[in-house]
Amino acid sequence: GQNIDQPTEMTATEGAIVQINCTYQTSGFNGLFWYQQHAGEAPTFLSYNVLDGLEEKGRFSSFLSRSKGYSYLLLKELQMKDSASYLCAVKDSNYQLIWGAGTKLIIKP
Amino acid sequence: SAVISQKPSRDICQRGTSLTIQCQVDSQVTMMFWYRQQPGQSLTLIATANQGSEATYESGFVIDKFPISRPNLTFSTLTVSNMSPEDSSIYLCSVISAQSRLGELFFGEGSRLTVL
Repeated sequence: GQNIDQPTEMTATEGAIVQINCTYQTSGFNGLFWYQQHAGEAPTFLSYNVLDGLEEKGRFSSFLSRSKGYSYLLLKELQMKDSASYLCAVKDSNYQLIWGAGTKLIIKP
Repeated sequence: SAVISQKPSRDICQRGTSLTIQCQVDSQVTMMFWYRQQPGQSLTLIATANQGSEATYESGFVIDKFPISRPNLTFSTLTVSNMSPEDSSIYLCSVISAQSRLGELFFGEGSRLTVL
């Protein structure tokens, strides 16, 4: 079966750095997405990786290792507004999106 | 990006009734989808809305329960039929924009349904 694993919840301190991991087992791979979802709101697109390596976008970076079936989202200089759920999603060989359950990130002052 | 208007944003419904959710996009899209998100859970794809033809449903979802229309490229409706409390959820319209290079999804704000 197809499976995406993320930690259920993480806590970090304002101003710090946090890394949210995502491991996947899917039938094929055609890219990995990270989305942010604030409580009561729709998910918004953060990043996309299809090749191995690090993609940096401001305070947020996303890393992919296809051989390990592994990605992480790195958030730097954490702000209170970064408190949200972070969803990992993989596009499989049929270009279907497989979603992780999401990681709830709690930022403390 | 694409701006997606979804309504109603929330509703409280009686068991056995049906509710239609509308999704309007402000730009050309290549694909439209309907998702369900139950409290504290991730996203579950209900179906792909196909323009001018029957939607493509995922396992566990059927047309009689979730009829979908897509009369043109930028508008779709999802009906939740004969509702039960188990249908209480957030229903999300999502699209892939024609201008998207990465194939990322854009989501509407969601319709939060509570079935009593």
